[in-house]
Formats: sequence, structure tokens, C-alpha cells
Amino acid sequence: ETGVTQSPTHLIKTRGQQVTLRCSSQSGHNTVSWYQQALGQGPQFIFQYYREEENGRGNFPPRFSGLQFPNYSSELNVNALELDDSALYLCASSLRSEGNSPLHFGNGTRLTVT
Amino acid sequence: DQQVKQNSPSLSVQEGRISILNCDYTNSMFDYFLWYKKYPAEGPTFLISISSIKDKNEDGRFTVFLNKSAKHLSLHIVPSQPGDSAVYFCAALDNYGQNFVFGPGTRLSVLP
Repeated sequence: ETGVTQSPTHLIKTRGQQVTLRCSSQSGHNTVSWYQQALGQGPQFIFQYYREEENGRGNFPPRFSGLQFPNYSSELNVNALELDDSALYLCASSLRSEGNSPLHFGNGTRLTVT
Repeated sequence: DQQVKQNSPSLSVQEGRISILNCDYTNSMFDYFLWYKKYPAEGPTFLISISSIKDKNEDGRFTVFLNKSAKHLSLHIVPSQPGDSAVYFCAALDNYGQNFVFGPGTRLSVLP
């Protein structure tokens, strides 16, 4: 069973630039969620994708956008980067079926905005 | 406004003893709860879950207790091992079943 993989592991960008982060879901999973984890805090929900459509969004501005592909992999795009966007970005996959199921996380992408 | 709270930022326990990590929530509509463990430079790893129809769930050394009336859950680790040293997050599934709301975490140190 292949777990959730994210790339790149680390990234340094300049304020105002754009960034794309990538995620491959765990095999058999059909739902992808993205979370932002700032230092010393718990993960904060950005959005979720199911069947290639956004299926829920947290309190993040529209410059945070995403995609889910037919193979259930996903991208997170952030435009007009701000210093406060510096954080660990976590991708998590899950299987949407009857009943609740836990999220399975990748190791994250550490984004630094200077 | 934090809907999921972990009021102890850190906890130290002697190896072999019990570790008890606590979590409180404010939204009475939450009905599915998870505990995660996180090591540095890794993503959170799922440990154990509990549904609101239960008050206890056990998996090996890990037991989660849920008190719905108090809006409180706890994770017990018995016996604690040095490898359990990590940050532990509790999370609750929101009303729409899409978003897990996480607490800020508790750093557990198990001393040999």
C-alpha cells in the first residue's frame, strides 16, 4: 500500500510569487484535503477535493486554490505569496464511503516566504 | 475561537507509567474524534478514533475515552515508552463531515 507523498519537501519563495505544491493520494483513497500548519499550532483546514471538485473550504482567501486529478492526485496553488504563508502544508487522503474514516497525511511541504 | 482545545502544551511521564492526554471541544455537533501523533519532519500519524455512539475505544496500548456531556476526550497510553515521545493532536469532524478541526497539540516526553 503506497502512502501519501508530497513534493517538494522544502521550498523558499519571495513575497508576491506563486507556488504549486503536489500530492499523491494513498492508493484506494478518493478524497484529498489540504491543511496549513503554522509553528506551534494544529493543522488548519484549507479545502477538500472529491471527484475533482472542491467539496468544502476553510477560512482561507481565494488566492489559495487547488485541483484534483482523475488519479486522485492533487495540487495546491498559492498566488501572491505573503510572509504569513510560511508554514508546513500537509496533504491528507481518505476514502469517502459509508461512515467516517480518518485522514492519512503525507510528510508535508515546508514553505518559507521571504 | 478554538473549537478544539488541548490545554496542556507539554507533558512529561516516566517510562512504563501511564500517559493521559486531554482534549476539550465546544461544538456539541462533533461526533467523530481522532488522535494523531507527530514526530518532527513527519506528517501526523493516525492513532485511534472514536465515534460519539461509544464512550471508549481501545487499540493495544492506546485507549480513547469520550465524555459527551462534558465535551471531553482523553487518550491513555499504557505503558508509556520513549518512542511515544511526540506531539499529540486531537481532532474532531465538523458538522458537514468534511473538515477535521485540530487542537494545538500536546508535546509528550517519555523519560527513560
